[in-house]
Amino acid sequence: AQTVTQSQPEMSVQEAETVTLSCTYDTSESNYYLFWYKQPPSRQMILVIRQEAYKQQNATENRFSVNFQKAAKSFSLKISDSQLGDTAMYFCAFMNTTSGTYKYIFGTGTRLKVLA
Amino acid sequence: DAGITQSPRHKVTETGTPVTLRCHQTENHRYMYWYRQDPGHGLRLIHYSYGVKDTDKGEVSDGYSVSRSKTEDFLLTLESATSSQTSVYFCAISVAGTRKNEQFFGPGTRLTVL
Repeated sequence: AQTVTQSQPEMSVQEAETVTLSCTYDTSESNYYLFWYKQPPSRQMILVIRQEAYKQQNATENRFSVNFQKAAKSFSLKISDSQLGDTAMYFCAFMNTTSGTYKYIFGTGTRLKVLA
Repeated sequence: DAGITQSPRHKVTETGTPVTLRCHQTENHRYMYWYRQDPGHGLRLIHYSYGVKDTDKGEVSDGYSVSRSKTEDFLLTLESATSSQTSVYFCAISVAGTRKNEQFFGPGTRLTVL
């Protein structure tokens, strides 16, 4: 069974600084997707970034980038130039593409607070 | 938001009463999911559907049932609510293929079982 682990329940960062959130996963599959979702206090789940396992290049979306280490089964999220609006819960998610069900497995989340 | 709505948005009920949560989508997506979110657990899959009348269990399905009689609606029923089912419930749809398997989420329903 696949598992996703986020070992940092809470983190804080000063505004304009850089922070890295960790995520590790366990799977025997070779084809899968990884995602980071953001959940601000509004409770809405918002996709931040996705990574296809077959792509070696790390995904980037503006200030957000990932460090995808397939052999180590690690998928960390780096937020550069942190902004107050980045304050949120961040969830790492895994999806196995071979099952055909598109089910996600989520980590337990990291609560990030950006300090002014 | 992929046109996903959930109703009700908030509900308080008593132990032993039946509760039905509704998820409605407007874009004809095939795959729909129900999750519950609890502190320290993240989001956990309750049930999912891969078409009308086609449903299957997720990792925390005990005490829950679902139905999908038409593409746009996916209902989650707690036959006899218990305090352990106090949670925030999210519905999601998967835009498999065209959007690289991204899931879009509804706004959530906060359920309190007294």
